[in-house]
Amino acid sequence: GQSLEQPSEVTAVEGAIVQINCTYQTSGFYGLSWYQQHDGGAPTFLSYNALDGLEETGRFSSFLSRSDSYGYLLLQELQMKDSASYFCAVRDESNYQLIWGAGTKLIIKP
Amino acid sequence: DADVTQTPRNRITKTGKRIMLECSQTKGHDRMYWYRQDPGLGLRLIYYSFDVKDINKGEISDGYSVSRQAQAKFSLSLESAIPNQTALYFCATSRNTNTGELFFGEGSRLTVL
Repeated sequence: GQSLEQPSEVTAVEGAIVQINCTYQTSGFYGLSWYQQHDGGAPTFLSYNALDGLEETGRFSSFLSRSDSYGYLLLQELQMKDSASYFCAVRDESNYQLIWGAGTKLIIKP
Repeated sequence: DADVTQTPRNRITKTGKRIMLECSQTKGHDRMYWYRQDPGLGLRLIYYSFDVKDINKGEISDGYSVSRQAQAKFSLSLESAIPNQTALYFCATSRNTNTGELFFGEGSRLTVL
């Protein structure tokens, strides 16, 4: 079977840096995606890593290590609006559709 | 206007009733999806469609059916709703690539009493 693990909750201070980890178990691997979801809102796409290394998009970066079956989302210069849930997702080997982690709730304190 | 529109946004119904959730998109994407989200869980795929003539079951299709009426429209039906189908339902679209990027509607919150 395939599974993803991410922490259920992370707390950080406004202006700081936070890292949200995701480990996965899959038979095949086709890339790791990250999404943001505010309470009551729709998930929005943040990033996709198919190859090892760091991808940077503004204040957000995403890292992948395929040999470790591990990735993380890095949020810098945290703002209160970054308070949300963050989901990692990988592609199912059988039908190429996304399998989602349970999400990490990011709480930001002033 | 939203690129992916879901109706209704909220619905309360009773056990045994038939319910349809509708999704329309203006993004011009061929691929459309229906997901279910429960508290503390990630999204789970119910059905997906790669074009008008293509319908595929996802992880949790039992108790659900879909119809792809046109490239822009993909509806989800619960033939006989039950309380454990109470959830937040999302429609999504994607381009014909495998970048993992989905575009979601605002969600339909369904409560089955």
